[in-house]
Amino acid sequence: AQTVTQSQPEMSVQEAETVTLSCTYDTSESDYYLFWYKQPPSRQMILVIRQEAYKQQNATENRFSVNFQKAAKSFSLKISDSQLGDAAMYFCAYRSGDRDDKIIFGKGTRLHILP
Amino acid sequence: SAVISQKPSRDICQRGTSLTIQCQVDSQVTMMFWYRQQPGQSLTLIATANQGSEATYESGFVIDKFPISRPNLTFSTLTVSNMSPEDSSIYLCSVTTYRGLYGYTFGSGTRLTVV
Repeated sequence: AQTVTQSQPEMSVQEAETVTLSCTYDTSESDYYLFWYKQPPSRQMILVIRQEAYKQQNATENRFSVNFQKAAKSFSLKISDSQLGDAAMYFCAYRSGDRDDKIIFGKGTRLHILP
Repeated sequence: SAVISQKPSRDICQRGTSLTIQCQVDSQVTMMFWYRQQPGQSLTLIATANQGSEATYESGFVIDKFPISRPNLTFSTLTVSNMSPEDSSIYLCSVTTYRGLYGYTFGSGTRLTVV
C-alpha cells in the first residue's frame, strides 16, 4: 500500500524568507499524481500545487514550487517570499494513476510565519 | 472548480444521538468522498459516496456507524450514529471530476463535539 510521510511536524520561517517542506512517499507504481494542500485555521482545504509523475518538469504556481525527485520518491514544497497568510497546515497527498480515485494524505506540517 | 456547501458548520451533540451532515455541490461531480479529521491530525477517508448505490467504506469504518446517501450527482449526506465522545472530529466532504487527476475540492468541514 502507498504511504506518504511528512517528517516535519512543525516549521517556522521569517516573513519574506524561503522555506521548504519535505514529503516522501512509497509506491510501486510508475503512474501517479502528487498534491500539496494547505489548511488554514478556517479549516478550508486549498489545493496549492499538483504534479504528474510522468512529467519531469517541476510544477510551479506563483510563489510555490516543488522539487519532484521520482527516483528518490521525494516531493518537497518550496514557498518563496513567505507571507503571513501562508501560515497553515500543509498536507502532501498521493493519488494512484489508475488503481482508484482516492487520495492518501501525509500527517501534515504546521508552518508558522514569523513577522 | 466546484463550490461545496457543507452543513452544519459545527454542532454539539449528546452521546447516543445521531447527526446528519449535508454536502451540496453547485455542479455535477463524478466522485464524492467523506473524511474525518481528528484534532491535530491528518485526514482519514471514511468512504466513497456512490450515486444510487451503497457507499464504499474504508477499513475501520462501517455502514451502521456512518450511513451515507448520495441520491444524485450534486448531493450527499453522512450520518454519525450513536455518537460517543470519540466521534468528536471535523468531518469533511470532498468532490472531484475527471477522477481527481486535477485535484479535489473540499467543503469547509463540520466540527462535531460529542458530550
